[in-house]
Amino acid sequence: NAGVTQTPKFQVLKTGQSMTLQCAQDMNHNSMYWYRQDPGMGLRLIYYSASEGTTDKGEVPNGYNVSRLNKREFSLRLESAAPSQTSVYFCASRPQQGHQPQHFGDGTRLSIL
Amino acid sequence: QKEVEQNSGPLSVPEGAIASLNCTYSDRGSQSFFWYRQYSGKSPELIMFIYSNGDKEDGRFTAQLNKASQYVSLLIRDSQPSDSATYLCAVNNPGGGADGLTFGKGTHLIIQP
Repeated sequence: NAGVTQTPKFQVLKTGQSMTLQCAQDMNHNSMYWYRQDPGMGLRLIYYSASEGTTDKGEVPNGYNVSRLNKREFSLRLESAAPSQTSVYFCASRPQQGHQPQHFGDGTRLSIL
Repeated sequence: QKEVEQNSGPLSVPEGAIASLNCTYSDRGSQSFFWYRQYSGKSPELIMFIYSNGDKEDGRFTAQLNKASQYVSLLIRDSQPSDSATYLCAVNNPGGGADGLTFGKGTHLIIQP
């Protein structure tokens, strides 16, 4: 059971380039999330999807777009990467809203030059 | 602005002693509280979650919640060197807003052999 799988694990981009971070979960979870983690800032919510077909902004959505492709997959896109988007990106999922905990993928380490 | 506060540490505890990690939160509407452990360069790993006032025990770990004081803590008994990590406190965002978690910045715990 793989849980939450993120690809790629590492990526280096130049300013202005675009890329999509992929996330897939095999736990049949309804809700999926994207966070970024920066030194001294903790994890911050970028976007989330409460269920297939819905997406909503989190705390720091600017510069990002998301797609909930199906129940398993939730992608994060940087249309024009900026150095301020250098971070570690984590995808998470959970069965439903409420008290259930979120389970995290291994992360994508992204550097924007 | 929802806030979750943790002492960043480092908190140094002798092996075999009890480690006590504390967290306060600002939003009285929060209902679910989570402790994640994060090793350097790794993803957050769920340790405990609690949503009722009082104590919840799981092996060497005990989570304590006091909603009146907006305080949640994690006790680690018989601390082991493998417990050395950063511990993240996370609080759910109540309905009506982003359905994700608000994280504290984490407490760096060091267990001294």
